[in-house]
Amino acid sequence: GQSLEQPSEVTAVEGAIVQINCTYQTSGFYGLSWYQQHDGGAPTFLSYNGLDGLEETGRFSSFLSRSDSYGYLLLQELQMKDSASYFCAPKAGANNLFFGTGTRLTVIP
Amino acid sequence: NAGVTQTPKFQVLKTGQSMTLQCAQDMNHNSMYWYRQDPGMGLRLIYYSASEGTTDKGEVPNGYNVSRLNKREFSLRLESAAPSQTSVYFCASTDRGPLAKNIQYFGAGTRLSVL
Repeated sequence: GQSLEQPSEVTAVEGAIVQINCTYQTSGFYGLSWYQQHDGGAPTFLSYNGLDGLEETGRFSSFLSRSDSYGYLLLQELQMKDSASYFCAPKAGANNLFFGTGTRLTVIP
Repeated sequence: NAGVTQTPKFQVLKTGQSMTLQCAQDMNHNSMYWYRQDPGMGLRLIYYSASEGTTDKGEVPNGYNVSRLNKREFSLRLESAAPSQTSVYFCASTDRGPLAKNIQYFGAGTRLSVL
């Protein structure tokens, strides 16, 4: 079977740094993706880790440890527009992703 | 650059009615997906099509059928709608195989209410 754990809600202050953790259990693991979804919107791709280590894209970084079945998304210099839901999604097959329930991030002034 | 286009955007059905949700992508992607999203439940895969001519069940296929009409279009049909199918439905597409990022591009969603 497949399972995912990430916090349901996180609150952080504008300008701060926040880390969203994700632990997963899946067969045929290829890599870990992160998606962002604003209220009423569609999910959009943020980052992908196919190998262990850190991937950086602007203010966002994502980390993967295959041996620990663990990853995280790091958001720096938080802005109000970063308030959204964030989904980690293991790539569990050749083309398929498994989405969990996501983490709702609220950025406060 | 339309990307993934879903129609309709909103729909209200009565229990027992049928309808088809349409999805088309213009990115020449091989793989297409239908998800449903319920409050607090995240995205759950209903059906997917790895390539033109193939379809497979996902996590929650009961009550749905799909058709991969051609490489561009992937439709989702509810034969006899039930209130439990009230949800937001997303279509997505992607390309590349196991070694690639497999970025999924999502449509804007269809908000369906079944009364």
